[in-house]
Amino acid sequence: AQSVTQLDSQVPVFEEAPVELRCNYSSSVSVYLFWYVQYPNQGLQLLLKYLSGSTLVKGINGFEAEFNKSQTSFHLRKPSVHISDTAEYFCAVSSGANAGKSTFGDGTTLTVKP
Amino acid sequence: DTEVTQTPKHLVMGMTNKKSLKCEQHMGHRAMYWYKQKAKKPPELMFVYSYEKLSINESVPSRFSPECPNSSLLNLHLHALQPEDSALYLCASSQAILQGNNQPQHFGDGTRLSIL
Repeated sequence: AQSVTQLDSQVPVFEEAPVELRCNYSSSVSVYLFWYVQYPNQGLQLLLKYLSGSTLVKGINGFEAEFNKSQTSFHLRKPSVHISDTAEYFCAVSSGANAGKSTFGDGTTLTVKP
Repeated sequence: DTEVTQTPKHLVMGMTNKKSLKCEQHMGHRAMYWYKQKAKKPPELMFVYSYEKLSINESVPSRFSPECPNSSLLNLHLHALQPEDSALYLCASSQAILQGNNQPQHFGDGTRLSIL
């Protein structure tokens, strides 16, 4: 079985400040990890993915995440946020044993204040 | 702009109506998905099609009936829905599903469904 825990349901931050959205996963087999962003009245958009290789993954809009196998974490970071980053962020995990079934975390609402 | 197109964007229907949601992608993806998303919640997987064949049904009630006419199209037929079925219905697609090789999904903007 696989599961995802997003440790913060809401993260308020001021514009141009750094931000970290935390994600922990559990799986008994090798995993594939994703971060998606959802803006109001839109679908989910892929920010970045970890499939294999380098543990530091760079994505779109200046976001990056680090895969940490020993801590079973995949935290999302951005050094300087903008108002336009205000959205819902979902961490997701899938595994080779469950191809086609991604498990999503409950989401983190990022609110960027001026 | 998204590469997965869903129609209609909004749908209001009564509990006795029959309607269909449509999804189209032209990325050559061979896997397509239906999700249900309630407000402030993550998407919940409903169905997965792989090479136009239903591969996963997450114990969805029979009032929801999926159909995949070809590799680019995915429909969700609705009949006798309940008020609790009101939600955002998201379609997604990905490269072919292979054991040990999971690819990210591309989502449409969804159909917001309201059941009266």
